[in-house]
Amino acid sequence: QKEVEQDPGPLSVPEGAIVSLNCTYSNSAFQYFMWYRQYSRKGPELLMYTYSSGNKEDGRFTAQVDKSSKYISLFIRDSQPSDSATYLCAFTIYNFNKFYFGSGTKLNVKP
Amino acid sequence: DTAVSQTPKYLVTQMGNDKSIKCEQNLGHDTMYWYKQDSKKFLKIMFSYNNKELIINETVPNRFSPKSPDKAHLNLHINSLELGDSAVYFCASSQEPRAGGGEQYFGPGTRLTVT
Repeated sequence: QKEVEQDPGPLSVPEGAIVSLNCTYSNSAFQYFMWYRQYSRKGPELLMYTYSSGNKEDGRFTAQVDKSSKYISLFIRDSQPSDSATYLCAFTIYNFNKFYFGSGTKLNVKP
Repeated sequence: DTAVSQTPKYLVTQMGNDKSIKCEQNLGHDTMYWYKQDSKKFLKIMFSYNNKELIINETVPNRFSPKSPDKAHLNLHINSLELGDSAVYFCASSQEPRAGGGEQYFGPGTRLTVT
């Protein structure tokens, strides 16, 4: 079983739609949960970062963590064409020596 | 000012050659990383350094040798390049958790093509 599973997409939605991106993980030692956004030919940039179960909101983005189900989600409200990118979930344990990434979901928001 | 920089941005070379990629961060972070991203966008950690010391080596062939001359630099040297080494290589850095860190900052990537 892979430590992190993420649907690769691509996911295509109209502008203004609510987008839901998901990852599952198998390692119970994961304590920190992150979402990165990667535009084509650029490095990943951190969007959201949390360490507890529940929801965390930042503007149009909401990160949700369910540790009991080993499942995390990223919701994007009022999606914009500028949100078109690949979204990567990432996990790490307490010492941050190693980060585990999902394979990324490619999102396309059509105007 | 660029937080994490890498050079070169593009590298095209032939099989069997030796090449180096340089990385520098000006964030004062303690930990630096090298990642390899394949054509399917899968980002896999190769090495992790904390205060110039190697702490993670993820079963990378020993043709890959990282070197950290100081806390702000982590270079990657690759010997005897193979076709399968073609990928985008990302450098990243983060602060130690007890210093309130965790957020990783990535460089722009080096696109390596081996022909």
